[in-house]
Amino acid sequence: GAVVSQHPSWVICKSGTSVKIECRSLDFQATTMFWYRQFPKQSLMLMATSNEGSKATYEQGVEKDKFLINHASLTLSTLTVTSAHPEDSSFYICSARLAGVYEQYFGPGTRLTVT
Amino acid sequence: SQQGEEDPQALSIQEGENATMNCSYKTSINNLQWYRQNSGRGLVHLILIRSNEREKHSGRLRVTLDTSKKSSSLLITASRAADTASYFCATALNDMRFGAGTRLTVKP
Repeated sequence: GAVVSQHPSWVICKSGTSVKIECRSLDFQATTMFWYRQFPKQSLMLMATSNEGSKATYEQGVEKDKFLINHASLTLSTLTVTSAHPEDSSFYICSARLAGVYEQYFGPGTRLTVT
Repeated sequence: SQQGEEDPQALSIQEGENATMNCSYKTSINNLQWYRQNSGRGLVHLILIRSNEREKHSGRLRVTLDTSKKSSSLLITASRAADTASYFCATALNDMRFGAGTRLTVKP
């Protein structure tokens, strides 16, 4: 149980385009989902926290107009990287959490390369 | 922002030796978790220790938690080449924050 999937697992896009990454909780309802970014040889940095049906809360330094997060249902959150630049190339990982518990379940990650 | 620091940043040992990694954090926690990540891959959950626990074992893994010092350690005994990976601690309360990680290399 507690499986989280991400789609796509990798994506290559051109500068200036937008790309959407999906995060799904497959066998549970996730009231809260988190998005992390990981640059090569670095740790995971929390980008934003999203609660179903409400606006995401972004960490300091993360541009909310560039990284659009939508958590429209209890099983799906999406991260859209708008007007992508090469410096947005990174590994994006989502996680999901059940209501009332502290454990988070992580997706396998999406590798974004912007050319 | 990251929760805290891990040390060492990199550790290289021979197969069969023990590897110890330390993690310090800054805020209150509900639990602390350790993850492994092979290069370019997703996270593998290793072990969770709750704030009211002091030590936990799982196979070759031993984790300690000292909430008074806001620190944790991960011990991998009898290491294998397959243990080569990056290891991260992560603290959980309202969200989960990761430490900087330790890159472990186990030489055959």
